[in-house]
Amino acid sequence: ETGVTQTPRHLVMGMTNKKSLKCEQHLGHNAMYWYKQSAKKPLELMFVYNFKEQTENNSVPSRFSPECPNSSHLFLHLHTLQPEDSALYLCASSPPVGQRLVNTEAFFGQGTRLTVV
Amino acid sequence: DQQVKQNSPSLSVQEGRISILNCDYTNSMFDYFLWYKKYPAEGPTFLISISSIKDKNEDGRFTVFLNKSAKHLSLHIVPSQPGDSAVYFCAASAGNAGNMLTFGGGTRLMVKP
Repeated sequence: ETGVTQTPRHLVMGMTNKKSLKCEQHLGHNAMYWYKQSAKKPLELMFVYNFKEQTENNSVPSRFSPECPNSSHLFLHLHTLQPEDSALYLCASSPPVGQRLVNTEAFFGQGTRLTVV
Repeated sequence: DQQVKQNSPSLSVQEGRISILNCDYTNSMFDYFLWYKKYPAEGPTFLISISSIKDKNEDGRFTVFLNKSAKHLSLHIVPSQPGDSAVYFCAASAGNAGNMLTFGGGTRLMVKP
């Protein structure tokens, strides 16, 4: 148990559906992330939120829409996905180190296994 | 182009022996390196890290070695135990983006009893 909880653990959705992935942490962290792990590929950073502000969007298609209402919660809203978007979506958080984020490990949730049919 | 590479997709080791997992990187701006361990159906868990100002960091059975000139790091597990069987990911970050990790593709370690 890393203190980062993701729901749901598994999700099957059609290409016309709208769904949301949820991530919650109560570790006192101020940075949260979405990563994607596709089959036989490295984990890819999708989005970064520092102190609730999005600071990074790694060229992710607009059919993925993140939301960070507070420093403990992170959502990934999904709409009109494609079958190739099927993957493991991992949320992570990292500790605050003052106002400047320096080298620190990220704590991962268990992930949501998404299948787009 | 992958900036962090783990060229061995899998490794099999006998219990009690040493496991050596390797990782290469290309970005000279990386100055912090981490190893994560992942069991099936779980998220990655942090294992050990090393800053570029060091060439070795040890934590119990786990030691990470960093060779900056070769842009290479390795994770040594000694002695290996069956519970160490998992996928190991190498990750790196640069000081100016210290909270953004670039991951390698992972190496599946199997420790045989």
